[in-house]
Amino acid sequence: GDSVTQMEGPVTLSEEAFLTINCTYTATGYPSLFWYVQYPGEGLQLLLKATKADDKGSNKGFEATYRKETTSFHLEKGSVQVSDSAVYFCALSETGGSQGNLIFGKGTKLSVKP
Amino acid sequence: DTAVSQTPKYLVTQMGNDKSIKCEQNLGHDTMYWYKQDSKKFLKIMFSYNNKELIINETVPNRFSPKSPDKAHLNLHINSLELGDSAVYFCASSLLWGREGYTFGSGTRLTVV
Repeated sequence: GDSVTQMEGPVTLSEEAFLTINCTYTATGYPSLFWYVQYPGEGLQLLLKATKADDKGSNKGFEATYRKETTSFHLEKGSVQVSDSAVYFCALSETGGSQGNLIFGKGTKLSVKP
Repeated sequence: DTAVSQTPKYLVTQMGNDKSIKCEQNLGHDTMYWYKQDSKKFLKIMFSYNNKELIINETVPNRFSPKSPDKAHLNLHINSLELGDSAVYFCASSLLWGREGYTFGSGTRLTVV
């Protein structure tokens, strides 16, 4: 079945450092890809999305590009802030028999130090 | 406010009890979901409803039963609670089979003692 693999955490960075969180996927068909963020004690918020190959999703300084050739959707930010500390989840929307099922990676905890 | 709202936010109960978690969305979405997040933050789908019909029923114990009185509501009933049921349960909703993403509720932290 479809699956998502993202880099293990935790990731600890200093403020203004560059962030990359790797995400690769396995899917049949043409899934949509997402990054969700979960701040401490809160629910999941959609951070950005891409629905087809070569699309770039962006929001709040974060970016990710849907790379079909490498089956990847890596999350990047040029300069992180303390307020970006959270758990980040890569996800795909299944196609085929379980259409609509959102498959999540295991999450990557990011801590940003001042 | 347009949102997915679930209640209660916290639920502490004893083993063997029966409890319910309620979820409502006013986004006009046609599909609703229940997800379970374990202590390691791993998220796994439990149920999905599209226009009041169950379309996904993952391998969860039959002590868990979703009920959808209409497409804006999806409640989760849990019978004979066990220690291992302790987790955070998230309700979510979507359009277009989730291809544009889900909107999540803020979660219900269930603790079974």
